Amino acid sequence: SQKIEQNSEALNIQEGKTATLTCNYTNYSPAYLQWYRQDPGRGPVFLLLIRENEKEKRKERLKVTFDTTLKQSLFHITASQPADSATYLCALENQAGTALIFGKGTTLSVSS
Amino acid sequence: NAGVMQNPRHLVRRRGQEARLRCSPMKGHSHVYWYRQLPEEGLKFMVYLQKENIIDESGMPKERFSAEFPKEGPSILRIQQVVRGDSAAYFCASSPPAPSGGVSGQFFGPGTRLTVL
Repeated sequence: SQKIEQNSEALNIQEGKTATLTCNYTNYSPAYLQWYRQDPGRGPVFLLLIRENEKEKRKERLKVTFDTTLKQSLFHITASQPADSATYLCALENQAGTALIFGKGTTLSVSS
Repeated sequence: NAGVMQNPRHLVRRRGQEARLRCSPMKGHSHVYWYRQLPEEGLKFMVYLQKENIIDESGMPKERFSAEFPKEGPSILRIQQVVRGDSAAYFCASSPPAPSGGVSGQFFGPGTRLTVL
C-alpha cells in the first residue's frame, strides 16, 4: 500500500529564511501530489498541486518540486513570516484514485 | 459561495450513544470525503461518496460506522454505540466532479470534534 513520510515533525526557522519541507513516498507513482496547510483547530487548506510531468510549481512565496525518480517532493516557503507558522501536509491520491493519503505533517514555526 | 459546512463543531457523547455528523459540501461539488484525525496522527481517509452512492468505504470500520449522501440534504457520518476510541476530529471535504479533487484539490470543512465520555 502507498506510504507517505514527511521528514520531520517540527521545523523551527527565523523570519526571512527559507523553509524547506520534505515529503517521501513509496510504492506506486502517483499522477500528482498535493500540499495543504492546517492551522490548529481548523481543516486543511489546499495550497498547491504538482503533476508528475512538472518538475517545479510556484505560487507567490511557495515553491514545490516533484522528483519521481527519488519519489520525493520538496515544499519551500521563501522569505518566511510568523504568519506561515502552521502544519503542512502532503497528500497523494491512492491507487484507486478515490481518496487522498496524507502524511502526518510537518509543523513549521517561524520566529520573529 | 459558502465553504464546506460541518455541524456540530463539537459533540459530546457517552459510551454507547449514537453520533451523527453532518456535512454540506460547497455549491457545485458532487464528491464528498470523510476523514478522521486522531491526536498526533495524520488525516485518515474513511469514505468517499457521490450523491446517493458510496464509491469507496475502504477506510471506514465495518461495524458501527455508516455514511450517506442523499439526493437532498447533507452528507451524514453516523457512529453507533460510540466508544472512547472514537474520540477524534472528523473532517469532511468536497471537490468538483473529479475524483480526489483532481487539479483543484479538496476543500475541507472546519471539522467536528467528537468527545466520548
